[in-house]
Amino acid sequence: ELKVEQNPLFLSMQEGKNYTIYCNYSTTSDRLYWYRQDPGKSLESLFVLLSNGAVKQEGRLMASLDTKARLSTLHITAAVHDLSATYFCAVGGSNKLIFGTGTLLAVQP
Amino acid sequence: DTAVSQTPKYLVTQMGNDKSIKCEQNLGHDTMYWYKQDSKKFLKIMFSYNNKELIINETVPNRFSPKSPDKAHLNLHINSLELGDSAVYFCASSPLLAGAVSGANVLTFGAGSRLTVL
Repeated sequence: ELKVEQNPLFLSMQEGKNYTIYCNYSTTSDRLYWYRQDPGKSLESLFVLLSNGAVKQEGRLMASLDTKARLSTLHITAAVHDLSATYFCAVGGSNKLIFGTGTLLAVQP
Repeated sequence: DTAVSQTPKYLVTQMGNDKSIKCEQNLGHDTMYWYKQDSKKFLKIMFSYNNKELIINETVPNRFSPKSPDKAHLNLHINSLELGDSAVYFCASSPLLAGAVSGANVLTFGAGSRLTVL
């Protein structure tokens, strides 16, 4: 059964710092999604990574995919408070999308 | 114009009651889903429908009965509510089945329905 794990589960960081969230998954998949969820809100799609070596960037966020290692990363550059949210990775398999455990990111001024 | 809309947004009810949550999407997508998000924010798929046909029933108690009258609607009826049913229920839709090997096939989520069982 496909399992998706993220770490860390909680990340408190200062504005201006860089950090990376990791997403590991247990079985082969060539598509990986990153979503953002603000408190009390819905999930918003950030990135879709469709092939090994794929890299996508939007503002201060950059996502990458290594299908051989079954690993995706979400890198945050020079964090700002507006990035505070819960970030989920999700992997497609067997007609469903399996979500990771989520990483709660708190950016402190 | 909301792409995936759910009603109600909040639902507070007593144990043992029966309640329904409705979902509609205007994106023309073929596939719709119900996900449950618990208090620890874990998201778990419950059901998926493709063109009104049930595709996934993820070992959910049979107190939960989804119904898709057409591909734009997916409702969730819950009988005999229990304390453990308290959660946020998200409806989502995608152009194709989540495992389809064709394009990005991004899931679009509704705003969620927060169910509290007392």
